[in-house]
Amino acid sequence: EVQLVESGGGLVKPGGSLRLSCAASGFTFSSYSMNWVRQAPGKGLEWVSSISSSSSYIYYADSVKGRFTISRDNAKNSLYLQMNSLRAEDTAVYYCASPRRGSGYYLPFDYWGQGTLVTVSS
Amino acid sequence: QSVLTQPPSVSGAPGQRVTISCTGSSSNIGAGYDVHWYQQLPGTAPKLLIYGNSNRPSGVPDRFSGSKSGTSASLAITGLQAEDEADYYCQSYDSSLKVFGGGTKLTVL
Repeated sequence: EVQLVESGGGLVKPGGSLRLSCAASGFTFSSYSMNWVRQAPGKGLEWVSSISSSSSYIYYADSVKGRFTISRDNAKNSLYLQMNSLRAEDTAVYYCASPRRGSGYYLPFDYWGQGTLVTVSS
Repeated sequence: QSVLTQPPSVSGAPGQRVTISCTGSSSNIGAGYDVHWYQQLPGTAPKLLIYGNSNRPSGVPDRFSGSKSGTSASLAITGLQAEDEADYYCQSYDSSLKVFGGGTKLTVL
C-alpha cells in the first residue's frame, strides 16, 4: 500500500524558515517524480513544486520561486521542501503527491499524503 | 485568479446528473495538455477522480466521467448521491507549470 506521510509543519514568523518532509513507502520511490501541492485555509489547491525521479528536473510555481527549494533523498525514500522567507500568504496545508506510475512530468497526482499545516504569523 | 476557470458551485438532487466545467485557453487545455479531476471530501486530502481527460482510476464508479474539447473540459456525475457532496478541482498544465482550477463545490440537495 502506498503511503505518503508529511511532517515538519508548524507556526513560524514572517521571514522565517521551515523544512517539510514527506516519507514514502509502498512503492519504488526512486522511480517516481514527486510533487508538493498546498491549500490555504478555505481556498483551492495550488501546485507548488515538482522534482523528477533523479532530481535532474525541478520546477516551481512563480509564487515560491527563489524562496522554496524542493529536494529528495532516494536512499531514504524521502521528499523535502525547504521554505525560506516565509510570508503570511504561504499559510496552508502542504501535501506531497505522486503519480501511480512513471517519472514523467505530465502525470496526475494519484497518491496524496494527509498534509501538514504551515502557519506563518507573528 | 486561477488559470483554469470553474463555476464556484453547482447543485443537484439525488439521482440527477450534474456537470462541472473547466475553461482554459490556448496555452493550457487548448494546447493539448491532459486534464485531470480531483474530488476533495470535507477535511480530507484530494483524491484522483479522472485522469488523462476521460480515464477513471480503479475503484472510481462509472457515474463519473470526463471529457475535453478545445479549450475546455467537463466532469459529469450521473445518478447523484449524497456522498458526492464535495469540492471538485480540474488540473492541467500551462507551459512548464501545473495549474488547478479554482474548485467547484457540489451540493446534493
